[in-house]
Amino acid sequence: EAQVTQNPRYLITVTGKKLTVTCSQNMNHEYMSWYRQDPGLGLRQIYYSMNVEVTDKGDVPEGYKVSRKEKRNFPLILESPSPNQTSLYFCASSAGGAYNEQFFGPGTRLTVL
Amino acid sequence: GQQVMQIPQYQHVQEGEDFTTYCNSSTTLSNIQWYKQRPGGHPVFLIQLVKSGEVKKQKRLTFQFGEAKKNSSLHITATQTTDVGTYFCAGVRDTDKLIFGTGTRLQVFP
Repeated sequence: EAQVTQNPRYLITVTGKKLTVTCSQNMNHEYMSWYRQDPGLGLRQIYYSMNVEVTDKGDVPEGYKVSRKEKRNFPLILESPSPNQTSLYFCASSAGGAYNEQFFGPGTRLTVL
Repeated sequence: GQQVMQIPQYQHVQEGEDFTTYCNSSTTLSNIQWYKQRPGGHPVFLIQLVKSGEVKKQKRLTFQFGEAKKNSSLHITATQTTDVGTYFCAGVRDTDKLIFGTGTRLQVFP
């Protein structure tokens, strides 16, 4: 089954404790991206990747890092989480870059205390 | 900051009533995509519009892309409880960035 998976689905952590949210897709998509969703603000792009070893900042990259060492994986790293990073995070992938249908993962709800 | 706004933010309708959400961009968009997110779920692609003035229909849903390619609308005829969710528009900026609208949350009362 074609899908985007994220782990963990839920995470409660404390300020400053480094964490990684994994994202994997099995559709051989080149374009992958991370979004955060906050009430009233919609989905805001954090980082995106056009292909392996190619990453770029979205609209809200501060406090986040990503890597794209393999085509299927695109982990999101929070080196020192802060409470303002409490949010719902979605990973997405696409065969045609930003111009085509985005396939979203199930989401990761992160709470930073 | 946010460059794609949607109105209204919330809409409550009685089942059978029509519903429209509007998407407005401060800049011209190459295309517009629409997504639906059910409560507790993830966004799911509905449709993409590319041409100026384009209109597309999916059963009770009608999508329109403005002539200036800066606005779009989604109209649902005779809403059903299965239409409940948040509807997002999204447009491409700077060639490879996808900018989502703020979303319209639809609640349908039976």
